[in-house]
Amino acid sequence: GDSVTQMEGPVTLSEEAFLTINCTYTATGYPSLFWYVQYPGEGLQLLLKATKADDKGSNKGFEATYRKETTSFHLEKGSVQVSDSAVYFCALRISSSNTGKLIFGQGTTLQVKP
Amino acid sequence: SAVISQKPSRDICQRGTSLTIQCQVDSQVTMMFWYRQQPGQSLTLIATANQGSEATYESGFVIDKFPISRPNLTFSTLTVSNMSPEDSSIYLCSARQGISNTEAFFGQGTRLTVV
Repeated sequence: GDSVTQMEGPVTLSEEAFLTINCTYTATGYPSLFWYVQYPGEGLQLLLKATKADDKGSNKGFEATYRKETTSFHLEKGSVQVSDSAVYFCALRISSSNTGKLIFGQGTTLQVKP
Repeated sequence: SAVISQKPSRDICQRGTSLTIQCQVDSQVTMMFWYRQQPGQSLTLIATANQGSEATYESGFVIDKFPISRPNLTFSTLTVSNMSPEDSSIYLCSARQGISNTEAFFGQGTRLTVV
């Protein structure tokens, strides 16, 4: 079935370091791909999305490119800040689903130290 | 973007009791969903709340345990029935405004602890 796999955390970085959180997926058809972020004590917020192959989603300095050939959607940021500390979820939406339900990865905790 | 409010934000309940969680959206939405996020784990879809008809449940979730209502296009409730400590989780309401290619919005969640 459809699934999302993320790199295990926690990921601990120093401020201004480069971030990569790996995400790969298995899906039938052509899913849309998303990154959501969950700050401590808050709900999920959409960080960025891509709806077709080679699309690049970007927001707040974060980027991810939809790679159909490697079935990946890795999240990157060139210089992280302490305020980026959160849990990051990769998700897909099945194109064949008329409800648009999301399938989430297990989440990756990012800790940024000053 | 839609704003989703959930009530209560947290609760501590006795085993064997039931809790109803409310989800209010500030605009009409096409789809509403309920997710569970168990401690340290990812989100799992419980069901899709259908306006005016029975909810559509995912594998492993049943109506008797998680009855859902959706009386209109802006409101839904999830009840966690006959609770046990294994039901301790964060329950999240989600909504989507359009039919295709629109993102889903999430409430802040209800943190439930069953003792």
